[in-house]
This record gives sequence, C-alpha cells and structure tokens, in this order.
Amino acid sequence: QVQLVESGGGVVQPGTSLRLSCAASGFIFRSYGMHWVRQPPGKGLEWVAIIWYDESNNYYAESVKGRFTISRDTSKKMLYLEMNALRVDDTGVYYCARDSGSSHLPVIWGQGTTVTVSS
Amino acid sequence: QSVLTQPLSASGTPGQRVAISCSGSSSNIGSNYVYWYQQFPGTAPKLLISRNDQRRSGVPDRFSGSKSGTSASLAISGLRSEDEADYYCATWDDSLNVVVFGGGTKVTVL
Repeated sequence: QVQLVESGGGVVQPGTSLRLSCAASGFIFRSYGMHWVRQPPGKGLEWVAIIWYDESNNYYAESVKGRFTISRDTSKKMLYLEMNALRVDDTGVYYCARDSGSSHLPVIWGQGTTVTVSS
Repeated sequence: QSVLTQPLSASGTPGQRVAISCSGSSSNIGSNYVYWYQQFPGTAPKLLISRNDQRRSGVPDRFSGSKSGTSASLAISGLRSEDEADYYCATWDDSLNVVVFGGGTKVTVL
C-alpha cells in the first residue's frame, strides 16, 4: 500500500535551517508529483510547495518563496524540504503528500512531522 | 485570509443533512477540479472527494460533492457522530500557480 513517512522535524531557533525528508513506498515514485503542506497549531491547512514528477517545475507558497526548497531523489524514493531563515510562524506539522497525477492536488498524505521555531 | 472561503462551522443532529460551501474565483474553482478533505484532531487529512464529485474508494455515499461556476459544495446526508471533524476544500489556482485551501469548516453533530 502507499506509504509516506516524514522525518526531520524538531525544535529550532529563528533564523536557522532544517531539512525535512519524506520516504515514499508502495507506488511508482517517479510518476507522481509531490507536495508539502503544513498546519500551524490550531489552524487550517496551508500548502507549501509542489515538485513535478519529472522535476520540470517547482512552485511555492508566497510565504516560503526564497527560503524553502523542495527537491526529490527518485533513485531513493525520497522527497525533501530544505527550510532556511526559519521564522516563528513556520511552526507547525508538515505533511508530505502524493499528487493526484493530473489535478496538481494532494491525494495521499503522510502522518506529518512537527517543526517548532522558537527562541 | 484563505483564497477559498468556507464557513467556520456547520452543525446538525444525527440523520440530518449538512452542506459546506466553498467559494473561489474564475482562476481557481472556476477553472479546476475541487477536492475535499476530512481531518480528525491530531491526524493527517484524508481525501474524501476528488474531481468535484468523485468519492474516494471506501468513502460512504453519505458524502457527496458538487461544483457550479466558482463555488463548490460538500454535503453530508444522514449525519452520524463519527462525521464530526474538520473539512477542507482545495483546488489549483492558475493565476498564482499554487494549491489553495479553504480555511476549513468544523462540523459538529449535536
């Protein structure tokens, strides 16, 4: 079955960096785009980034553009999110999700990893 | 401030029908499919409805989706206590090249 397992979350200080990872299994990874979506404590879902199945396009939410980088390693079936210049309002649960394949929307979600940015 | 507008809350008694609206614009809902997600506290979201009105495998037929113009709707008929959760709509925005979510609607079963 399709499985997505995030890791790399933790407690960091403002201005520092963190890299999240997402291990994919149970589907043909190279055939699907992938997303990162986050959820601040007690708030709604906020889309972060998407990477196309063939890495031909990456798009970002305005709030993270220039600070976050989404990437993938197809040979390892891994998705990454490099987060730099972290801010307090980047705090939340970060989910990786597999794309629908056509609608550019998340279909299958991981369980999430928690990022806390605090001084 | 979310690009897609949903009511903060909706409620009903067991057996009733509840509808959740999702309002957008021509560049998002008006041009693309709408997806609906269900989320219970402390858990990851789960896809309920794809492509405006297609129920995901295993989703009870009490859940139905529709879209008209720049608005979409999720209906829950025969409301049950286990339907108490947060519901989010989402779609792609062609102008912004981003996924946009609604702010979420908390459904309460009275």
